[in-house]
Order: sequence, then C-alpha cells, then structure tokens
Amino acid sequence: QQQVKQSPQSLIVQKGGISIINCAYENTAFDYFPWYQQFPGKGPALLIAIRPDVSEKKEGRFTISFNKSAKQFSLHIMDSQPGDSATYFCAATLTSNTGKLIFGQGTTLQVKP
Amino acid sequence: NAGVMQNPRHLVRRRGQEARLRCSPMKGHSHVYWYRQLPEEGLKFMVYLQKENIIDESGMPKERFSAEFPKEGPSILRIQQVVRGDSAAYFCASSPVLNAEAFFGQGTRLTVV
Repeated sequence: QQQVKQSPQSLIVQKGGISIINCAYENTAFDYFPWYQQFPGKGPALLIAIRPDVSEKKEGRFTISFNKSAKQFSLHIMDSQPGDSATYFCAATLTSNTGKLIFGQGTTLQVKP
Repeated sequence: NAGVMQNPRHLVRRRGQEARLRCSPMKGHSHVYWYRQLPEEGLKFMVYLQKENIIDESGMPKERFSAEFPKEGPSILRIQQVVRGDSAAYFCASSPVLNAEAFFGQGTRLTVV
C-alpha cells in the first residue's frame, strides 16, 4: 500500500532526446507527487511536483504527466542534456499526514553528448 | 541563508561502535526528517521530528537507533552498536511548516568496517 515503483532502473539517452521515467503507486490517498534529482555525493533536490487534480505540469524542459485512474505518473525530460545526467527519484506523500515521502527506487540517467 | 547542514559528511565506524549523525536545519525550519539510502536503493523514511518531539518514527529500526531534536542545537540520529548493514547514506531534510517543501542536506555516508 505504501510502495512507489519506479522504472527503468537506468536509462541512456542521446543529447537532444527525450528521457522518460515512470512511476506507479498503490495508495490512492497520496495527494502530492514530487520528483527529485540527485547528483553523486549530493542530497536530493526537488525538481518538479504535481497534485492529482491536474494531469500535466510543465516547467521548462521537465514535464510530469499524471494518470489518476491508472495510479501512474511519469517524468519527461525534453531536449536532454549531458548536465541532466543524474539519479532521479519519484516520490509520493499524503499531505494530511506527516509529510513523509515514499520514494521510488531511482533511475540513473546518462545523457550522451 | 545556509542550506541544511549535515556532519560529518563521511563517518567510518568499527562494528560495535556508536555513530552520531548531526543535522542543522535551515534557519526558521522546525520540522526535520531523516531518510536512509542503501546502495543502489531509494531513500527510506526513518523518522520525523519537530522541536523536542518525535512525531513519526515508523521507519526507525526497533533497536539501536534513536533520534532527537532538542530545543537548542542540531537534530541527532544515533546508532548504537553499529553493524555492517548500517552502512548507508543518511539524509536529513527540513521544512518550515508541515507539508511545505523539504530541503535535503548533502548526507552523511556511514561506513561500518
């Protein structure tokens, strides 16, 4: 019930391509879905987040698509750049609770120049 | 405004010793979360604290682990009698109020030898 499943585990994309990372959740009570970006040796940093009342949110080259009925959401990175090479984590939380984040397993993205 | 400060950044302990991990939240933040990241895995919630109170410790192992967030000073995650399986990166996150964006520190990488 508390799991968030993320795929793929790793992803290699050519510069300029589209990177797509998918997540699925079980708990229908979750109401906040952030994505975090983590570089080696650093802590996770919030990239973009969405609430289930919208189906899509775009910020620059990053877009979240949200499918409430399927309990799935995905991150799309358009025009991927080598500087985007990092590990990406999806997460979910119930904001009426303690705000603790349930993270996916992570996706290591490599963007080749 | 300095970010979330964690120290030490790296900590090596022999089996059976104690490990103390410190987290100074961002200025004005009174909510602290601790997460553990095992190699090749996502972050797992451990404990959520407010000043002088443990609010949610549902992710803490039942033995050897404890956390505090005193009125003055940093939050401390304490691991007694460390074992090899405790080797991981431990991240602290802070937020100003419940369910506001949580900012992560750079983590403490604990190695048990």
